[in-house]
Amino acid sequence: EPEVTQTPSHQVTQMGQEVILRCVPISNHLYFYWYRQILGQKVEFLVSFYNNEISEKSEIFDDQFSVERPDGSNFTLKIRSTKLEDSAMYFCASSGDRAETQYFGPGTRLLVL
Amino acid sequence: AQSVTQPDIHITVSEGASLELRCNYSYGATPYLFWYVQSPGQGLQLLLKYFSGDTLVQGIKGFEAEFKRSQSSFNLRKPSVHWSDAAEYFCAVGVSYNTDKLIFGTGTRLQVFP
Repeated sequence: EPEVTQTPSHQVTQMGQEVILRCVPISNHLYFYWYRQILGQKVEFLVSFYNNEISEKSEIFDDQFSVERPDGSNFTLKIRSTKLEDSAMYFCASSGDRAETQYFGPGTRLLVL
Repeated sequence: AQSVTQPDIHITVSEGASLELRCNYSYGATPYLFWYVQSPGQGLQLLLKYFSGDTLVQGIKGFEAEFKRSQSSFNLRKPSVHWSDAAEYFCAVGVSYNTDKLIFGTGTRLQVFP
C-alpha cells in the first residue's frame, strides 16, 4: 500500500539554525500539507500546497517558514531560523484531490535547543 | 469558526468492553469527518471517514462511527476493545470548497486494561 514517508525521523538543532524537513508524498497525489503537533497538544494545520504554490496557510506559517516541491517526488518544509517554540512533531500529508482523505506520514520530531 | 470538540481527554476500559469516543463539531454546512489513530511515537492512521451517504460508516480494526447531523456529532464506537487499541484518537473535520485543511480535536487517550 502506498504511503507517505518523511525524513529525518528526529532532528535536534540549535535555536537560530535552519532546518529542512523532507517528505515524499504518495506518488499520484496532487495536494500536499504540513501539520504540526506540539507535545501534548492537538494537531494544527500549517500549510497546503497545490500546483506548485501555496493554496492556504495558517497564522503559524509566518515568514520563517517556506515549502517547496523541488522535484517530482519530494515536498519540503524549511524553517529559516528556528525558535524554541518550533519544537514539535511535524507531519506531512497528501491527498489525491480536494476534500479527499489526507494520508499522513510518520512525522519528524524536531527539537530546538 | 469551525471547531472540533472531544470532551473526553482520557478513557480507560477493560479489554473486551465496548467503547464510544465522543466527537462534536461546529461547522455551518455538511462537513467531511474523519477519525485518526496515533500510537505512541507513530504517525496518524486513518480509521474511517464520512463524506456523504450512509451515516453509519465502517472502518478498519472493527471501528465504526455514526454521523448525527442533529447533534453535530461523529462518535466512534467499537463493540469489543483489544489491548492493541490503546492509543490516542483524533477526530477531524475537513472543510472543503474554500480550504483543504483538517481541523483536529484535542484527542482522546485510550487506555486498555487486561
